[in-house]
Amino acid sequence: EVKLVESGGGLVQPGRSLKLSCAASGFNFNDYWMGWVRQAPGKGLEWIGEINKDSSTINYTPSLKDKFTISRDNAQNTLYLQMSKLGSEDTAIYYCARAPGYSFDYWGQGVMVTVSS
Amino acid sequence: DIQMTQSPASLSASLGETVTIECRASEDIYNGLAWYQQKPGKSPQLLIYNANSLHTGVPSRFSGSGSGTQYSLKINSLQSEDVASYFCQQYYDYPWTFGGGTKLELK
Repeated sequence: EVKLVESGGGLVQPGRSLKLSCAASGFNFNDYWMGWVRQAPGKGLEWIGEINKDSSTINYTPSLKDKFTISRDNAQNTLYLQMSKLGSEDTAIYYCARAPGYSFDYWGQGVMVTVSS
Repeated sequence: DIQMTQSPASLSASLGETVTIECRASEDIYNGLAWYQQKPGKSPQLLIYNANSLHTGVPSRFSGSGSGTQYSLKINSLQSEDVASYFCQQYYDYPWTFGGGTKLELK
């Protein structure tokens, strides 16, 4: 069974940084691109970006490219999202998802990030 | 960026009814389109990919169609468990983009 479990969320002050993790199991992590999507409270979905199998290619949505960094550790079957200079507009549920080449076929349960003083 | 315009934003339908949700892309996305279902408090789940391919385990009452810039999701014989929000997403070109969503309720 494909399982994706995000962690690392919580309350963070404006301007600070936070790193999310996504632990993958139930499939060969090395064989898949992986991505991140977020959803502000009561809003729609926003694609953050994705990373290829060996981390040689990472694509971001332009508005987040200078704030967010996606990385992965294939030995640990873990995907990461490093977020910096956080603002209230970054308050959202953050989802990791598997990207088989056509959309996102499996999603984690999501982790809440709240940016507030 | 490719803009995805989804309609309607909300929809009320009766059990057993057929429902159609539309998604229009700002340019040709060559069937690089997925549909997701999101129930309240849950993560999105893939329903349809490549515009018309049913994801594993998805009931056959869900179907996708379209081409070019116009796509649709049809739900035949609406069930109570279909109450959810539905989102389209293009993955033809970066950055991938989502439609604004359709909230489906029971009448």
